[in-house]
Amino acid sequence: EPEVTQTPSHQVTQMGQEVILRCVPISNHLYFYWYRQILGQKVEFLVSFYNNEISEKSEIFDDQFSVERPDGSNFTLKIRSTKLEDSAMYFCASSLPRARASYGYTFGSGTRLTVV
Amino acid sequence: SQQGEEDPQALSIQEGENATMNCSYKTSINNLQWYRQNSGRGLVHLILIRSNEREKHSGRLRVTLDTSKKSSSLLITASRAADTASYFCATDPPGQAGTALIFGKGTTLSVSS
Repeated sequence: EPEVTQTPSHQVTQMGQEVILRCVPISNHLYFYWYRQILGQKVEFLVSFYNNEISEKSEIFDDQFSVERPDGSNFTLKIRSTKLEDSAMYFCASSLPRARASYGYTFGSGTRLTVV
Repeated sequence: SQQGEEDPQALSIQEGENATMNCSYKTSINNLQWYRQNSGRGLVHLILIRSNEREKHSGRLRVTLDTSKKSSSLLITASRAADTASYFCATDPPGQAGTALIFGKGTTLSVSS
């Protein structure tokens, strides 16, 4: 069964450093997403991406965040200057267009980001 | 506003029993989805029910949707220890595809053998 792959599984970084989280979505999916989950809290939407541009973003996704699809397979989330409160599990997801989607989104296993 | 609020927050049952989790939401939806998350792991899609559907089955899972009450329920029948996980409902609002899913806080299910 196709999977969304995320790397690394765990990253520890110093406050103020830049981090790049990487994702390989399912190859025939057209929509890509980043979500995060702070420990013990609900899953929160960050950003969606379609046709090489941001489709929607939340209030969390401020100027410190950016996304990119540098080639035909990777989808990245960059945090320019990490803060302690950025510590969370970050999930990448991908989906087909709604009209053809009867099975929801496919999520990756997540990257646990720890900012120290 | 909060979407997809599940109850109960935690549920403990014995193997073989049925587990029912409920989800309430506030605004219109295109569909509602249920996901499962094992501790510290990713989200696994379980089942999707569209706004014009009332009930859906998948194996031991049964989902209902009542759009007039803005609520959904997930029933897991004949539960197993391996069903121990957190379960989240997520609403997919109307509008263009690619719109954010809104997750609830989840129900933590513990199934003891």
